[in-house]
Amino acid sequence: AQSVSQHNHHVILSEAASLELGCNYSYGGTVNLFWYVQYPGQHLQLLLKYFSGDPLVKGIKGFEAEFIKSKFSFNLRKPSVQWSDTAEYFCAVNGPNDMRFGAGTRLTVKP
Amino acid sequence: NAGVTQTPKFQVLKTGQSMTLQCAQDMNHEYMSWYRQDPGMGLRLIHYSVGAGITDQGEVPNGYNVSRSTTEDFPLRLLSAAPSQTSVYFCASSSPGTGGATGELFFGEGSRLTVL
Repeated sequence: AQSVSQHNHHVILSEAASLELGCNYSYGGTVNLFWYVQYPGQHLQLLLKYFSGDPLVKGIKGFEAEFIKSKFSFNLRKPSVQWSDTAEYFCAVNGPNDMRFGAGTRLTVKP
Repeated sequence: NAGVTQTPKFQVLKTGQSMTLQCAQDMNHEYMSWYRQDPGMGLRLIHYSVGAGITDQGEVPNGYNVSRSTTEDFPLRLLSAAPSQTSVYFCASSSPGTGGATGELFFGEGSRLTVL
């Protein structure tokens, strides 16, 4: 089965700083890749997804992610974070049977 | 526009008790799944179903049962609750994906379960 590794457990940034969250997956077949966000006390919501085509995908709220097949990576980026981006971020990979998630990265943005 | 509905939102059980977490979706999604979320461990897949009458185990199925008699409903049963099952449980559904089992997952609001 596929697996996902997120390198950062907790990231603390000041507003306007740039963000990059790492995600690596392990799976040899065709994958679909996702980033989900969970705001405090809420359920998971889709941030962006990659199925095929342009490896640079843009999502909501100014987030983007780049799929690098040779590195099995799908890192999330945002040029300038806001206090409202404080949340937990999950990378997920979709294999032939199910979707698996990484452990999550908690992002705290200080005003 | 209900989406995925989970009940109850909160539940406290004693060790050994049984209970069922309900999940219903109104999007006619074939795929449904249950995850548990624990601090530092992300979401771990308990069971999933690719259609009515079909279920399969995920990463952490022990202690849980599921059934899928209709497209809309996917209940999760705890047969004999244990403190290790204290967690937040999320139900999710999806239409079929391209190149993978699912497309985007739509999540319910979650059910917080405490086992004493």
